[in-house]
Amino acid sequence: KAGVTQTPRYLIKTRGQQVTLSCSPISGHRSVSWYQQTPGQGLQFLFEYFSETQRNKGNFPGRFSGRQFSNSRSEMNVSTLELGDSALYLCASSLETVTYNEQFFGPGTRLTVL
Amino acid sequence: LAKTTQPISMDSYEGQEVNITCSHNNIATNDYITWYQQFPSQGPRFIIQGYKTKVTNEVASLFIPADRKSSTLSLPRVSLSDTAVYYCLVGPHGSSNTGKLIFGQGTTLQVKP
Repeated sequence: KAGVTQTPRYLIKTRGQQVTLSCSPISGHRSVSWYQQTPGQGLQFLFEYFSETQRNKGNFPGRFSGRQFSNSRSEMNVSTLELGDSALYLCASSLETVTYNEQFFGPGTRLTVL
Repeated sequence: LAKTTQPISMDSYEGQEVNITCSHNNIATNDYITWYQQFPSQGPRFIIQGYKTKVTNEVASLFIPADRKSSTLSLPRVSLSDTAVYYCLVGPHGSSNTGKLIFGQGTTLQVKP
């Protein structure tokens, strides 16, 4: 089975721009979660989508949004980019009936905001 | 979700057994303990999960005492490729929490030749 894929792998943007990141979960996985990882704050949960609905949300401003499509693929959007948004953005997928914490992570998208 | 405390870093040598302890004094009755491993510039990878006593798989063992206020991840005979950050997570089962993982600082394990 193919793993979680994320595109693009690297991205450079300037302040004020917006960006869209894409995540394709493992086939059959309906839950997709997004995380932000920075040296200062570590790994932080952004939000989770299940069956095209946001089911969980972390403590990030409204500039961070996401959506999930009927094929479970997910996109994450960040508007009005700030320098502090530079981070590794990770996507993870899991089965509907999986026990807690069995998530499978993609390689991430490295976003640099200049 | 229960707060976890782990050592920031640990050093070891190839071939040694490494034990990383995690404290979770406020663990709830329905909480499970899970460990993830992360290599630089990669996403975390699930290692092992347990509720009580001992769990073992092909990669590691997880020891959980009766009071469940701590747990120990044991990596037998580490190699250089085990150099990574190890995260201890504590949380409940259930679909409402499945997609939300709360990571702490993690323990950076450095394996030396």
